[in-house]
Amino acid sequence: GQQLNQSPQSMFIQEGEDVSMNCTSSSIFNTWLWYKQDPGEGPVLLIALYKAGELTSNGRLTAQFGITRKDSFLNISASIPSDVGIYFCAGQLPTPLVFGKGTRLSVIA
Amino acid sequence: DTEVTQTPKHLVMGMTNKKSLKCEQHMGHRAMYWYKQKAKKPPELMFVYSYEKLSINESVPSRFSPECPNSSLLNLHLHALQPEDSALYLCASSQLTSHQETQYFGPGTRLLVL
Repeated sequence: GQQLNQSPQSMFIQEGEDVSMNCTSSSIFNTWLWYKQDPGEGPVLLIALYKAGELTSNGRLTAQFGITRKDSFLNISASIPSDVGIYFCAGQLPTPLVFGKGTRLSVIA
Repeated sequence: DTEVTQTPKHLVMGMTNKKSLKCEQHMGHRAMYWYKQKAKKPPELMFVYSYEKLSINESVPSRFSPECPNSSLLNLHLHALQPEDSALYLCASSQLTSHQETQYFGPGTRLLVL
């Protein structure tokens, strides 16, 4: 089946630093989604991307839908302690939703 | 409003018990989903309902029985579960349009099977 390669698996950063994570796939997708999940909670949608080449921002978060439709990245600028959590990318063509394995972000104050 | 609600938030049950998980959304979404998530893993799809009909069953054991009473509600009936079924159970919903089927998740039910 389809698989997403999400990297890095984990990151330890200082508060105020910028963060970048990405997902790649061997298959194309029509939609790329980025979610954040806190422990014991459900994934919360951060950004949805629907067109190849699309660049979308949500506050300090910026994500892009790769031109080849096989990749996407998420950037977080000026990280703060509440950015801690697991970030999942997900691709869709259209269903089912295929998830990456997640990037665990830790922010050191 | 992009809210999906789930009850209960926590559930502890024995292997002989029967219990149900409930999910509700009022966004007019016509697709609803059940996922199972183990610690440090991404969610795994269990069931998909489209227009209140079961459209995908990812080879889930029969001890899990989904039900969609109407377009806003989704239940998951549990019977004779095993300890390895302990996990976070997530409900999600989405519109059924050709390009934008963004899924919104509920907060989950943390299930412990003893």
